[in-house]
Amino acid sequence: EPEVTQTPSHQVTQMGQEVILRCVPISNHLYFYWYRQILGQKVEFLVSFYNNEISEKSEIFDDQFSVERPDGSNFTLKIRSTKLEDSAMYFCASKSDQETQYFGPGTRLLVL
Amino acid sequence: SQQGEEDPQALSIQEGENATMNCSYKTSINNLQWYRQNSGRGLVHLILIRSNEREKHSGRLRVTLDTSKKSSSLLITASRAADTASYFCATDSSASKIIFGSGTRLSIRP
Repeated sequence: EPEVTQTPSHQVTQMGQEVILRCVPISNHLYFYWYRQILGQKVEFLVSFYNNEISEKSEIFDDQFSVERPDGSNFTLKIRSTKLEDSAMYFCASKSDQETQYFGPGTRLLVL
Repeated sequence: SQQGEEDPQALSIQEGENATMNCSYKTSINNLQWYRQNSGRGLVHLILIRSNEREKHSGRLRVTLDTSKKSSSLLITASRAADTASYFCATDSSASKIIFGSGTRLSIRP
């Protein structure tokens, strides 16, 4: 069964460094998403992406964040200058034109 | 305003018993979904119920939706140890995102 994959599974970085989180959505899906979950808290929407542009973004998704679909398979989330409060689990999701979003296993980001 | 709040926050039951979790939301929705998350792991989609549906079954799962009360319930029958996880409802009110509740932590005692 096709699934969303994410790399790396864990990332440790120093405050102020740039990180790129990578996702490979399910191949025939058209809509792509990033969510994050701070430890012990609920899953929060960050951004959605369709037709090579951002469809919607949350207040969390400020100028430090960007997304890109550099080729036909990858979908990336870049955090330009990480802050301590960016430490969280980051989930990528994708969906076709049906309603269900399928989530990847997540990348656990720790900012020191 | 918060969309998708589950109760209880935590639930501990004996293996074999049924577990019921509830979710309430505030705005109108297109559909409501339930996800499971094992500790520190990814989100697994369990079931989706559309706004024009009242009840849906999938294996040991039964989901109800009451749009007049803006609430949903997830019933897991004949619980197993492997059902231990956090369960989240998520509402879809736009094509662009789903909004998660705070989740119910379910523990199944052997």
